[in-house]
Amino acid sequence: DAGVTQSPTHLIKTRGQQVTLRCSPKSGHDTVSWYQQALGQGPQFIFQYYEEEERQRGNFPDRFSGHQFPNYSSELNVNALLLGDSALYLCASSLDPYNSPLHFGNGTRLTVT
Amino acid sequence: KQEVTQIPAALSVPEGENLVLNCSFTDSAIYNLQWFRQDPGKGLTSLLLIQSSQREQTSGRLNASLDKSSGRSTLYIAASQPGDSATYLCVTSNTGKLIFGQGTTLQVKP
Repeated sequence: DAGVTQSPTHLIKTRGQQVTLRCSPKSGHDTVSWYQQALGQGPQFIFQYYEEEERQRGNFPDRFSGHQFPNYSSELNVNALLLGDSALYLCASSLDPYNSPLHFGNGTRLTVT
Repeated sequence: KQEVTQIPAALSVPEGENLVLNCSFTDSAIYNLQWFRQDPGKGLTSLLLIQSSQREQTSGRLNASLDKSSGRSTLYIAASQPGDSATYLCVTSNTGKLIFGQGTTLQVKP
């Protein structure tokens, strides 16, 4: 049973560019959430997707957007990249958007130069 | 606004010691509290989840407690091993929005 998979594992972009990160949830899960983890910090909640809708959002600017597809996979898009966007981006999936345990992928390491 | 604080930020112990990691949160209106482990540069592995109606959960050498009224949770690790070395994160959940603590980085020396 495949867990949460994220691609790519590493990415290097230049300031001002746009990036798309991808996530496939654990089998049977329909809810996906995204987190940004800067070096030495705890993850920060970006947003949660359920039934192809953004259900919850953290304190991130509109440059961060997402999408959930009918097969429950998800994308995180970041426009106009800043140096401060360099971080580990984690995707998590769960059985529902409320109270179920989260299962995390290994993350995408984004470096903005 | 929920704030989650973990103390200590770092901890180094000799192998075999029992230890306690602390987590405090400001808003008691939570659905559950979860403890995760994170190895360097990796994703998070769930250790224990305590529902808001529960007081504790146990898994092997790990025991987590929850006191909503005082806004506190503890993770107890018995007979620590070098393989327990990692960062431990405390997370509160409310309607699907997770708030993480900064983590406690544990080093267990052989």
